Amino acid sequence: KNEVEQSPQNLTAQEGEFITINCSYSVGISALHWLQQHPGGGIVSLFMLSSGKKKHGRLIATINIQEKHSSLHITASHPRDSAVYICAVISGGYQKVTFGTGTKLQVIP
Amino acid sequence: NAGVMQNPRHLVRRRGQEARLRCSPMKGHSHVYWYRQLPEEGLKFMVYLQKENIIDESGMPKERFSAEFPKEGPSILRIQQVVRGDSAAYFCASSPPGRGLNEQFFGPGTRLTVL
Repeated sequence: KNEVEQSPQNLTAQEGEFITINCSYSVGISALHWLQQHPGGGIVSLFMLSSGKKKHGRLIATINIQEKHSSLHITASHPRDSAVYICAVISGGYQKVTFGTGTKLQVIP
Repeated sequence: NAGVMQNPRHLVRRRGQEARLRCSPMKGHSHVYWYRQLPEEGLKFMVYLQKENIIDESGMPKERFSAEFPKEGPSILRIQQVVRGDSAAYFCASSPPGRGLNEQFFGPGTRLTVL
C-alpha cells in the first residue's frame, strides 16, 4: 500500500462543475503540498498546508490531520484546469516529500 | 527574483554516455532536492542536499547516480553509463535555509531521453 493515496485517478468534468480530489496518507506529516502539472510541463505548487483550510481564487484545499486526509476543490471548473494534480506529504526531520500518484483531470467545454 | 532554473530542459544521450543535469536554486535557497518521474509514473524522491553536503540520498540508485551541491555554482545530478531505463523527467526543487517547515519550489525539469 502506498503511503499516499489519491482518488480518483482520472476525472472528467464538464466546464463549470465543482471538482473534489482526495488524498489520504498513512504517515505522520508536518505538512502537505498540492501540486499541479500540465502535460509535458513543470510543476507548480498550489498550496502547502498543515492544518485547516486555504483558498486561492477558485481553488480550496483542506486538511484533517486527525483523519490523515486532505481534499482539493476546484469551483467553477474551466478547461484550463485540465492537468494532473499531485498530493505530496512532507515528513521527517529532513522534510522528505512523498508523492501520490496523481489525479488526471480533464475539463470539457 | 528568478525561480528555480534547470538546464538543459531536454537532453538526449546514447546508452553508455554520461548525463549531467544542472539545477540552480532560487536566490537565497540553500536546500536542493532532486526527484525523478518515470514515464506514466509518479514522482519519486532521489536526494536532498545542502551546500557541500548530502543530507539524504535514500532514493538514489546505488550505482551510476551521484549528486553534488558545491559551495559555488549549481547542483549537479550526474548519471554515468546511462541506460534506456534512465529516460525520465528529473525535477529539482529548492527551499530556503533554516529549521522548520519551508515550502519547496520546483524547477521546470530536465527531460532525459536515452537512445
